[in-house]
Formats: sequence, C-alpha cells, structure tokens
Amino acid sequence: KAGVTQTPRYLIKTRGQQVTLSCSPISGHRSVSWYQQTPGQGLQFLFEYFSETQRNKGNFPGRFSGRQFSNSRSEMNVSTLELGDSALYLCASSTRPLAGSTDTQYFGPGTRLTVL
Amino acid sequence: TQLLEQSPQFLSIQEGENLTVYCNSSSVFSSLQWYRQEPGEGPVLLVTVVTGGEVKKLKRLTFQFGDARKDSSLHITAAQPGDTGLYLCAGEGSNYQLIWGAGTKLIIKP
Repeated sequence: KAGVTQTPRYLIKTRGQQVTLSCSPISGHRSVSWYQQTPGQGLQFLFEYFSETQRNKGNFPGRFSGRQFSNSRSEMNVSTLELGDSALYLCASSTRPLAGSTDTQYFGPGTRLTVL
Repeated sequence: TQLLEQSPQFLSIQEGENLTVYCNSSSVFSSLQWYRQEPGEGPVLLVTVVTGGEVKKLKRLTFQFGDARKDSSLHITAAQPGDTGLYLCAGEGSNYQLIWGAGTKLIIKP
C-alpha cells in the first residue's frame, strides 16, 4: 500500500505571496491532519479534515486554510506569507472514524517551506 | 493549556551506552505516543501507552507511562547508530488533539 505523499517537497516563496500544499492520504483513509513543525517547537496542529469537512482546528490565524476533496486528497493554503511561516508542513492520514477516537496517524515526508 | 516538555533536547552518546528520554507535563493525558522521525521523513509511531504505570518494550526500547498519566519515559539499552533520530512524544489532550513535545535529537556515534 502506498504511503502518504506530499507535494511539493521543497518550496521557496517571498513574503506576501501565497502557497498551496498538497497531500494524498493512504488509500481508504478519510482523515487528513496538517501540522507545522519548527525546530524547538515540535509539531503544532493546524486542522483535521474528514469526508471533506473540517472536523478540528488548531490555533492558527485565518491565513492558514485547507480543504479536502471527495477522493480524500487535501490541500492547505497559506496566504500573505510571513517569514515566521518557514517550517516543515506535515500531513498525516488515518481511518479515525470518530473525532474522539484514537487511531494511528501515518505521516508524509513533509513540505519544506522557506519564506524569504 | 496542556504542554509537554521533553528532556534532554539533544543527546549525543557512544554506541553501546544506555539513555533515557523524558516527557513531562502537569496535565493528565488519556494516552501518550512516542514517535521517531528521521531526516527528510515524517514521524513514525513507535508505541502508544494508555494505562497509568504501563510499561511496553520494543526490542531495546522500553516505554513507561507514569502512574498519574502525566509523564512518560523512553529508555534505550545498548544504543546503536540506527537509533539516531528525533524522538517525539505526543499526548492525547482533552479535545482529542495530540499535544506534542518539542523532541529529543539523539545521535549515536559508532
């Protein structure tokens, strides 16, 4: 079974631009979560989508948004990029049928975003 | 706000030595997970502990969940270069979101 794939793997943007990152989950997984990882900060939860609906949201500004398509593929968008948005963006997929259920998350390799 | 503190942040030891990584919080977690992340890859789940006082072993790795479910430790016996990586703990918070520690960067020198 293919793992979680993320595209692109690396991205360089300048302040003020916007960016769209893509995530294809493991086949059959309907839950996709997005995280921001920066050195010394660990992973910060952005949002979770399940069956095209945002099921959970972290504490990030409205510049960060996402969506999920009917095939479970997900995209996240960051508008008006700031220097502090430079990070590794990870997505994870799982079956997680209920918001309150614990299930193994499988992570993709991430997209390394650099904002200049 | 639930927080998880990991220590040490960085550890570099010789092959064959033992080590312990700690994950502490003032909050109670319903479960706690340990992950390992290698450069250029996403985190991979190693273990989930659920019951206070629970001990799980994965070859040379021993994971323990504190009795009060507020802390956890990862002990590696006879470390090998293949153990090198970033070790992350994550606790399941009150709203079912994972609360992550900042990670312990482990380097095992041959």
